[in-house]
Amino acid sequence: GQNIDQPTEMTATEGAIVQINCTYQTSGFNGLFWYQQHAGEAPTFLSYNVLDGLEEKGRFSSFLSRSKGYSYLLLKELQMKDSASYLCALFLRGNKLTFGTGTQLKVEL
Amino acid sequence: GAVVSQHPSRVICKSGTSVKIECRSLDFQATTMFWYRQFPKQSLMLMATSNEGSKATYEQGVEKDKFLINHASLTLSTLTVTSAHPEDSSFYICSAQEGQVNTEAFFGQGTRLTVV
Repeated sequence: GQNIDQPTEMTATEGAIVQINCTYQTSGFNGLFWYQQHAGEAPTFLSYNVLDGLEEKGRFSSFLSRSKGYSYLLLKELQMKDSASYLCALFLRGNKLTFGTGTQLKVEL
Repeated sequence: GAVVSQHPSRVICKSGTSVKIECRSLDFQATTMFWYRQFPKQSLMLMATSNEGSKATYEQGVEKDKFLINHASLTLSTLTVTSAHPEDSSFYICSAQEGQVNTEAFFGQGTRLTVV
């Protein structure tokens, strides 16, 4: 299996920066996705990393290091609406997505 | 981005009955669609890969006779939960991709199934 691990819960303050980590063990994958999911809704796409390095998209950035089996999602200028579950997912052969355990982020005032 | 429509969004059924969930790609053709299940406070678990014109590929531990998948066209896949039991109550989500390699997966809205 891919053993994709994320912290279960995180709490951060509005306006702050938070980093959500994702570690994995796999022999190969095409890329790594990050999704946001609000309770009872489908996941929505945030970012996709194929190569090592940082991908920046507005308030969201994602980093991948294949050699270290590690990725993180960085959220800046946190807003209350960012309270959600964040899922990393490996894009495997056959277009399959295998999801991490998910991180529930709570943004407080 | 591309749109994937899933129907119904919520369904309540009696134990022992069957429920069909539809997943449609509205503005693109999808030769492959995926079905996931998500239990409360857990991540998405891939159940099966739906292949247009051929049999679905099921993940280990998923009963193919219980979760029937039909991918009759390039824009429609259906998941039928047969002889549903309360333990089948879950959030079912489909996804589809427009291209073949390294393309973003678009998710349906999800179906909340409650078996009573």
